[in-house]
Amino acid sequence: AQSVTQLGSHVSVSEGALVLLRCNYSSSVPPYLFWYVQYPNQGLQLLLKYTSAATLVKGINGFEAEFKKSETSFHLTKPSAHMSDAAEYFCAVSLGSNFGNEKLTFGTGTRLTIIP
Amino acid sequence: DAGVIQSPRHEVTEMGQEVTLRCKPISGHDYLFWYRQTMMRGLELLIYFNNNVPIDDSGMPEDRFSAKMPNASFSTLKIQPSEPRDSAVYFCASRRQLGNTIYFGEGSWLTVV
Repeated sequence: AQSVTQLGSHVSVSEGALVLLRCNYSSSVPPYLFWYVQYPNQGLQLLLKYTSAATLVKGINGFEAEFKKSETSFHLTKPSAHMSDAAEYFCAVSLGSNFGNEKLTFGTGTRLTIIP
Repeated sequence: DAGVIQSPRHEVTEMGQEVTLRCKPISGHDYLFWYRQTMMRGLELLIYFNNNVPIDDSGMPEDRFSAKMPNASFSTLKIQPSEPRDSAVYFCASRRQLGNTIYFGEGSWLTVV
């Protein structure tokens, strides 16, 4: 079975500072990895995804994530935080397409607060 | 393209009442998922369908919960009878057969008092 662990349920950064949200995965087969963002009182929106192509993945709103197999990590970064980035961020994993990738398993989420 | 459409967006009901949540997936999508989000348990997959057939319902909490997908464009999640611990946000999501991105609806915010 696959799983993800998000380190830090709450992260606060100053406006303009680097954003780093951590995600480590566990999977017995090559995984697909995703970051979703949830703004208050809204659904989940896909930020970016890794599906076994380039290990550095760029997403919307200036976010990117790097798949590191040796570290089993898929951390989310953004060079300069903006007030509009305040939201909850979820890392998720599914099995790769050759292994039955129907289900997404989510981490517990990280609430990002931006300090003016 | 319209996204995943859920109704109602908000519902407040009394304990013991029947609750029906509705979902229209994105047209052409073959998979439909029902997730529940709570503070305590985070995002949990309740059940998912492929081509209208339930594939895995192991996440359905108990017999009070049931889900149907009578056709490719409609699904329901029913709770009968409802209990206060069922209060949560229920998300419907869908995906193409050969895709790998799941698209979520805006959620149905259920409060059982």
